Amino acid sequence: GAVVSQHPSWVICKSGTSVKIECRSLDFQATTMFWYRQFPKQSLMLMATSNEGSKATYEQGVEKDKFLINHASLTLSTLTVTSAHPEDSSFYICSASRAEYGYTFGSGTRLTVV
Amino acid sequence: LAKTTQPISMDSYEGQEVNITCSHNNIATNDYITWYQQFPSQGPRFIIQGYKTKVTNEVASLFIPADRKSSTLSLPRVSLSDTAVYYCLVGDRGDSSYKLIFGSGTRLLVRP
Repeated sequence: GAVVSQHPSWVICKSGTSVKIECRSLDFQATTMFWYRQFPKQSLMLMATSNEGSKATYEQGVEKDKFLINHASLTLSTLTVTSAHPEDSSFYICSASRAEYGYTFGSGTRLTVV
Repeated sequence: LAKTTQPISMDSYEGQEVNITCSHNNIATNDYITWYQQFPSQGPRFIIQGYKTKVTNEVASLFIPADRKSSTLSLPRVSLSDTAVYYCLVGDRGDSSYKLIFGSGTRLLVRP
């Protein structure tokens, strides 16, 4: 099956620092990956679409300079939360699509900014 | 905007069958219907996917009427471990760049 690995599973950082989250497709190539954010008791909100070899496409209201996305290879996309603040604390989830398997999600990253 | 509408929450008891219905009135011809399960602090996990009529796997069944404007996820004999949020999504699985937009999901609570 299609497996998506996300790392780290949780991270605590100080306010003002940057944090990088990795999303890897382990057994398939993903030209497109997606990044979601989820606050407690809420649904997943799509942040951006990560495209291999090109710029990410951000959803309305998502600051592209704050949430840097890099999709350097067909198996890796990274999300960097720059100058993190407590309000950025959330659960971040990535996903990738493979034609015969549909969408597979990573296990998520719990970010806490203190 | 999400393309689906589901009940916000449902309660059930162990051993009962649970049916969760999802409305997707504007489903497109190429769209498939997929259901995911999510536990707290985990990513969504695939349950079942279908296009029309009925699909069954080892954990659930999916019923889709002919007009495809709704679908029903059926969980037979639920257990406490089935307490989770269930999301219904529609999308073109042939297009890897298709964006999945989540609705509110249905929070299922299974009681002893």
